[in-house]
Amino acid sequence: QQQVKQSPQSLIVQKGGISIINCAYENTAFDYFPWYQQFPGKGPALLIAIRPDVSEKKEGRFTISFNKSAKQFSLHIMDSQPGDSATYFCAASEGWGGSNYKLTFGKGTLLTVNP
Amino acid sequence: GAGVSQSPRYKVAKRGQDVALRCDPISGHVSLFWYQQALGQGPEFLTYFQNEAQLDKSGLPSDRFFAERPEGSVSTLKIQRTQQEDSAVYLCASSLSREQFFGPGTRLTVL
Repeated sequence: QQQVKQSPQSLIVQKGGISIINCAYENTAFDYFPWYQQFPGKGPALLIAIRPDVSEKKEGRFTISFNKSAKQFSLHIMDSQPGDSATYFCAASEGWGGSNYKLTFGKGTLLTVNP
Repeated sequence: GAGVSQSPRYKVAKRGQDVALRCDPISGHVSLFWYQQALGQGPEFLTYFQNEAQLDKSGLPSDRFFAERPEGSVSTLKIQRTQQEDSAVYLCASSLSREQFFGPGTRLTVL
């Protein structure tokens, strides 16, 4: 059972456009939702994260929108640049297990930003 | 500052060989996680340490997989009698709180 579903699998955007990646989750115990960026041959790097008590969080060109009732969250990349071309993963974790904040990841979205 | 480091970066093993993968977490980070990332997939949780205690090993796929962190710092993931399905990137992450910092991973190829 896939607990975090991510779409689309791949996305092509023109430079300056908006990239939108969506995720849906099933486990209502999830209370932390990060997005990671991964370049080939590198480990995932945290971009931005949100808790369910807010509906939106913005950091620079990156915004997370969160809909608790629909159990969905999305990443918006404004003014997309060729350097943003990478694989993006949404993830989620529960807070009840003490410090064991193991992450459940989506399958990833390969973003290509054309110049 | 120094991030999470992993070694080796690449490992080729013949089927049936044992391998050991090392993770050096960020100094002072109490929590350490291992994940397995198959080609074209998201990372999947393997095991979790709080200091030297292995508190969760629910993601280890078989008893051929073993992890340790004896002094609460460096961790080693050992895979015995490797199989082709073990081919993947093995990622280590460390944290003080919710934010996890990942290493570059070890790409294991089993022939």
